[in-house]
Amino acid sequence: QKEVEQDPGPLSVPEGAIVSLNCTYSNSAFQYFMWYRQYSRKGPELLMYTYSSGNKEDGRFTAQVDKSSKYISLFIRDSQPSDSATYLCAMSVSGNTGKLIFGQGTTLQVKP
Amino acid sequence: GAVVSQHPSRVICKSGTSVKIECRSLDFQATTMFWYRQFPKQSLMLMATSNEGSKATYEQGVEKDKFLINHASLTLSTLTVTSAHPEDSSFYICSASPGGRGNEQFFGPGTRLTVL
Repeated sequence: QKEVEQDPGPLSVPEGAIVSLNCTYSNSAFQYFMWYRQYSRKGPELLMYTYSSGNKEDGRFTAQVDKSSKYISLFIRDSQPSDSATYLCAMSVSGNTGKLIFGQGTTLQVKP
Repeated sequence: GAVVSQHPSRVICKSGTSVKIECRSLDFQATTMFWYRQFPKQSLMLMATSNEGSKATYEQGVEKDKFLINHASLTLSTLTVTSAHPEDSSFYICSASPGGRGNEQFFGPGTRLTVL
């Protein structure tokens, strides 16, 4: 079993839809949770950064962390074609050297 | 802020040659830099972690003599792929962490290596 599980998709939605992306994990020691967006042949771009449980909102993006269920989510409201990319969840253990454990990534396509 | 650059963005070389990739943090000091490798449609695989002025820590299965990492300053790390072979062809991405905030990492744009 992988430490971090993420459905690779692809996920296809119409423009304007609400998108829900999810990851589950097995290591209860994870404290820091991140979502990255990666366009084809580019490096990942940090979208959201969350410490411990709770919600965080930034524009059209909302990140949720439920540590009791070992489940994190990223919601994208009013999705746009420019949101079409691969979304990677990542997490790390508090006090670690900084090593991130990544999910496989979910490919999202937003159709105009 | 938090910009990381990589050079070159793409390199094609003959089998047996060595290739050096540079990673720079442009607007912050990176206490730690990381090197990843990514195959098509797959996630990032951590190769090694480097701290300025000390030897890199390699992940299991990564040959340290083949993938030489130097972290000469707080803004520059280099990865040298020595005696490259076609199976080393991949997308190499670095990231840099300013430290102090729970391991937040900022990624470079990546380097596409093709070994003929």
